[in-house]
Amino acid sequence: AQSVTQLDSHVSVSEGTPVLLRCNYSSSYSPSLFWYVQHPNKGLQLLLKYTSAATLVKGINGFEAEFKKSETSFHLTKPSAHMSDAAEYFCVVLPGGYNKLIFGAGTRLAVHP
Amino acid sequence: GAVVSQHPSRVICKSGTSVKIECRSLDFQATTMFWYRQFPKQSLMLMATSNEGSKATYEQGVEKDKFLINHASLTLSTLTVTSAHPEDSSFYICSASQGGTEAFFGQGTRLTVV
Repeated sequence: AQSVTQLDSHVSVSEGTPVLLRCNYSSSYSPSLFWYVQHPNKGLQLLLKYTSAATLVKGINGFEAEFKKSETSFHLTKPSAHMSDAAEYFCVVLPGGYNKLIFGAGTRLAVHP
Repeated sequence: GAVVSQHPSRVICKSGTSVKIECRSLDFQATTMFWYRQFPKQSLMLMATSNEGSKATYEQGVEKDKFLINHASLTLSTLTVTSAHPEDSSFYICSASQGGTEAFFGQGTRLTVV
């Protein structure tokens, strides 16, 4: 069975401190993994993606994620949060051989001054 | 990156009327388009998958006669909410794929039925 679990529904950090958004997946086939960000009443913007190349993936706006097959995890990190990072973040899996994305429930990131 | 344009971004309609939402891939040919619905503070729920020139494949529980999807060309798919009711009010998002691993999302459409 294919599934995505975002371990935190809400994360709150202070501006300038590190961000960690956790994601675990279950996939029977070699998956592609994505992190998307959604600002209120907007579509989804791709932050980064893993497609079986380097396991440490660097994305836009200073975000990066590490694919750990042994832990079935794909956590999103950023060294220093900015106020503009406040948004909803979705971890998404595309199982190998499939064309349907599987979305996590989302994590709302709040950034405080 | 590839651009997907969704129109309108917001629409308010009266109960019983129909509303059409367009999803266009501006700089690539989309062999597959997806339509999602998003309830407040929730994740995206896949409604249907459409391939150019063929009938859409609807997810379980989605009424095909209620949500009409047309994918007439490689750059345009439309979702028509027929006989809309207040419970159809939601945020609708499309995405388009060239058949690779990445899907590109539209900006979303906020539908309010009054």
